[in-house]
Amino acid sequence: KAGVTQTPRYLIKTRGQQVTLSCSPISGHRSVSWYQQTPGQGLQFLFEYFSETQRNKGNFPGRFSGRQFSNSRSEMNVSTLELGDSALYLCASRRRGVEAETQYFGPGTRLLVL
Amino acid sequence: DQQVKQNSPSLSVQEGRISILNCDYTNSMFDYFLWYKKYPAEGPTFLISISSIKDKNEDGRFTVFLNKSAKHLSLHIVPSQPGDSAVYFCAAGGSNYKLTFGKGTLLTVNP
Repeated sequence: KAGVTQTPRYLIKTRGQQVTLSCSPISGHRSVSWYQQTPGQGLQFLFEYFSETQRNKGNFPGRFSGRQFSNSRSEMNVSTLELGDSALYLCASRRRGVEAETQYFGPGTRLLVL
Repeated sequence: DQQVKQNSPSLSVQEGRISILNCDYTNSMFDYFLWYKKYPAEGPTFLISISSIKDKNEDGRFTVFLNKSAKHLSLHIVPSQPGDSAVYFCAAGGSNYKLTFGKGTLLTVNP
């Protein structure tokens, strides 16, 4: 079974621009979560989508938004980019395991804002 | 407020010995805990998880211990191998499926 895929892998943008990142979950997984990883803050939760509905949201400004399609693929959009948005953006799809709701991560999109 | 803490930013261990990675949490509402391993420029890879109703889970060389009264969990890797060198994150989850991560511990296993 293919893993979580994310596109693009690398992206360079300038301040004020907007960006859209894409994530395809593992086949059969209906939940997609997004995380931001920065050196100073570690991995921080952005939001989660399930069956095209946002079910959970982290403490990020409204410039960060997302959506999920009927095939469970998800996109994340960041508008009016700031230098501090430079980070590794990770998406994860989730399934119920024996012990826990386990999230499986994609390779991430490295965003650099200049 | 950091709800999940990994107080050791790094750990160095000899090949063949035991690696013990520690994690503390403050929120007693967490239902389950997971450990992930991460190489640079890659996404985290799931290693092992444990439900809050258990105190131990084992998978091959990896064992996770949970002490709920102390709000502490640890990951034991025995024996440690050079390929285990990576950043290890502990994460905690609850009914909202949101994972809260620690800031990670860099494990270096020396040949």
